Amino acid sequence: GAGVSQSPSNKVTEKGKDVELRCDPISGHTALYWYRQSLGQGLEFLIYFQGNSAPDKSGLPSDRFSAERTGGSVSTLTIQRTQQEDSAVYLCASSLVAAYTDTQYFGPGTRLTVL
Amino acid sequence: SQKIEQNSEALNIQEGKTATLTCNYTNYSPAYLQWYRQDPGRGPVFLLLIRENEKEKRKERLKVTFDTTLKQSLFHITASQPADSATYLCARANNAGNMLTFGGGTRLMVKP
Repeated sequence: GAGVSQSPSNKVTEKGKDVELRCDPISGHTALYWYRQSLGQGLEFLIYFQGNSAPDKSGLPSDRFSAERTGGSVSTLTIQRTQQEDSAVYLCASSLVAAYTDTQYFGPGTRLTVL
Repeated sequence: SQKIEQNSEALNIQEGKTATLTCNYTNYSPAYLQWYRQDPGRGPVFLLLIRENEKEKRKERLKVTFDTTLKQSLFHITASQPADSATYLCARANNAGNMLTFGGGTRLMVKP
C-alpha cells in the first residue's frame, strides 16, 4: 500500500520567503508528526497532530513555524520569513494513533535549502 | 529533559561479524525504546521496539537489549552484510507516548 508521501522533495528558497511543505499520511492513520533533521544531527520533534488538533506545539522552534491538518489527513508545515538556519530535511511520519507502542512510518522528507 | 546519546563515530566492521551499537539515555527509564534504520535520502524505518520489562528482543538477525540499571540499550546485527550499512537511530517516547526523542544515530559500514 501507499506509504507517507511528502512534497516537494526538494525546495530551494531565498531568505525571507515563506515556504509550505506538504505531508500525505497513510490512509487511516490518525496521528501525524513533523520532525526536522539538520545535517549530521538527529531528528528534532516539531509538532504532532491527533486528528485535526495539535495538542503539543512545544517543539516548534519559533513563531515563524506553523502547521495545520485538515480533514484528519493532509498536513502542511509553513515556515514564514525563512532564515538560513531553517535549512534542513523536514520529515513527516504517521501512526494509527499517538501511543507508546505504535510504529511511526516516515516519509522521504523535504530537503529545504535557504539561500 | 530526556536525552538519548549514540556514538557519533561510524562503526566499520567486516562482513559476517556481529555489529553492536549503543544507545544511552538520561533521567528516568522510558517505558520502551525504539530502533530505526535510516538510509541516505530516506526517512527512518522502524526495526524493533523493546519494553522496559523486556531484557531482550529478537527479529531475524537483529537483537536488542534493554538494561535499566545501566540506562542503556544495545542493538546487535549478527552475520552482518554490506546491505546492513546504514545509520541506526535509537528513540524514546515522552510520558504520553506521542513524541519521540531520537539519538543522533550511529553510521554502520559493513565491508565485504
